[in-house]
Amino acid sequence: QKEVEQDPGPLSVPEGAIVSLNCTYSNSAFQYFMWYRQYSRKGPELLMYTYSSGNKEDGRFTAQVDKSSKYISLFIRDSQPSDSATYLCAMTVMNTGFQKLVFGTGTRLLVSP
Amino acid sequence: EPEVTQTPSHQVTQMGQEVILRCVPISNHLYFYWYRQILGQKVEFLVSFYNNEISEKSEIFDDQFSVERPDGSNFTLKIRSTKLEDSAMYFCASRRQGNSNQPQHFGDGTRLSIL
Repeated sequence: QKEVEQDPGPLSVPEGAIVSLNCTYSNSAFQYFMWYRQYSRKGPELLMYTYSSGNKEDGRFTAQVDKSSKYISLFIRDSQPSDSATYLCAMTVMNTGFQKLVFGTGTRLLVSP
Repeated sequence: EPEVTQTPSHQVTQMGQEVILRCVPISNHLYFYWYRQILGQKVEFLVSFYNNEISEKSEIFDDQFSVERPDGSNFTLKIRSTKLEDSAMYFCASRRQGNSNQPQHFGDGTRLSIL
């Protein structure tokens, strides 16, 4: 079983739709969760990070963590064509302090006007 | 907003040659990382660096790889004798000191093509 699983997509939605992106993980030691957005030929851009179960909201983005199910989600409200990108989940064990990130494969999102 | 910068954006090298990829982390950051992404695959951890020494490295980071912080601003990744399978995007990341929950910020990468 892979440490982090993420559906590669592509996920195609019309502008204005609510998008749900998800990752599952197998390592119960993971405590710190991040979502990055990656445009073509660019580096991962940090969107959100959280280390507790529950929801965290930032503008149109909501990150949700369910540690009991080992499942994390990113919701995008009122999606825009500019949101078209690959979304990467990443996670790490926190206790070492050095924070080696383990990434999912990324989900490619296409938002059509 | 401060950012991580990487040079060159694209490096083409003959197999067997040495290559150095350069990164300028965000100025008040003290933890540094290299990751790579082979085309179509996920981003993979290579090495973390703190206080002028490697803190952790992956199985990928063998004796052909080395990292250095030659001055107060640059952070480099050297591949001594490149192989075809080293072709990938290489990303540098950095984060602030403090709680381990400070997130990593990434540069736009160097695309390494080995011929």
